[in-house]
Amino acid sequence: EIVLTQSPGTLSLSPGERATLSCRASQSVSSGYLAWYQQKPGQAPRLLIYGASRRATGIPDRFSGSGSGTDFTLTISGLEPEDFAVYYCQQYGRSYDTFGQGTKLEI
Amino acid sequence: EVQLVESGGGLVQPGRSLRLSCTTSGFTFGDYAISWVRQAPGKGLQWVGFLTSKSLGATTEYAASVKGRFTISRDDSKSIAYLQMNGLNTDDTGVYYCTRGVGAPFDYWGQGTLVTVSS
Repeated sequence: EIVLTQSPGTLSLSPGERATLSCRASQSVSSGYLAWYQQKPGQAPRLLIYGASRRATGIPDRFSGSGSGTDFTLTISGLEPEDFAVYYCQQYGRSYDTFGQGTKLEI
Repeated sequence: EVQLVESGGGLVQPGRSLRLSCTTSGFTFGDYAISWVRQAPGKGLQWVGFLTSKSLGATTEYAASVKGRFTISRDDSKSIAYLQMNGLNTDDTGVYYCTRGVGAPFDYWGQGTLVTVSS
């Protein structure tokens, strides 16, 4: 099983700033099968990024993903008030889909 | 419009059973695997299991924590997937989401249904 470790656990920033979230895998994630999700309180997760760097439909271009192998990054350029939420990474390249423990992005 | 709607959650005593449903619309249900993901109160997301389409053999896989207790099934004629949960314990408390796909990003999710295991 691939273990995903996200850092930091909590990130405190202000609107307009740049957020950099990290996701490190215990083994190489095959073919870059790494996704990022945003979750707000009381809501289901929302797919942001898949294939490590591809934005899902309707996702603003201030969200970008990068990385390969075992190290991946989600960058949010110019934080908007609605971006403050919890973010999860997920690997989907193996049978056992696994999620990171999440990063809380707070004001 | 793709929609997934979970139902069947509620309060259940430890050791008892519960069946969740995932009613879908807006896509060809039979062509997709269905996965279940849960979230304990205040915690992160945990993959529960999946069931592939019949064309891929209706294969199932489960997380170790639920294997032997939970079973995923599907009724392609009704576009509904089920999560049968037996031998529930307090660690199974949480919101249960159904999503479509496996080995692919989860592009659509239901709103979730809350399962509370307590005496």
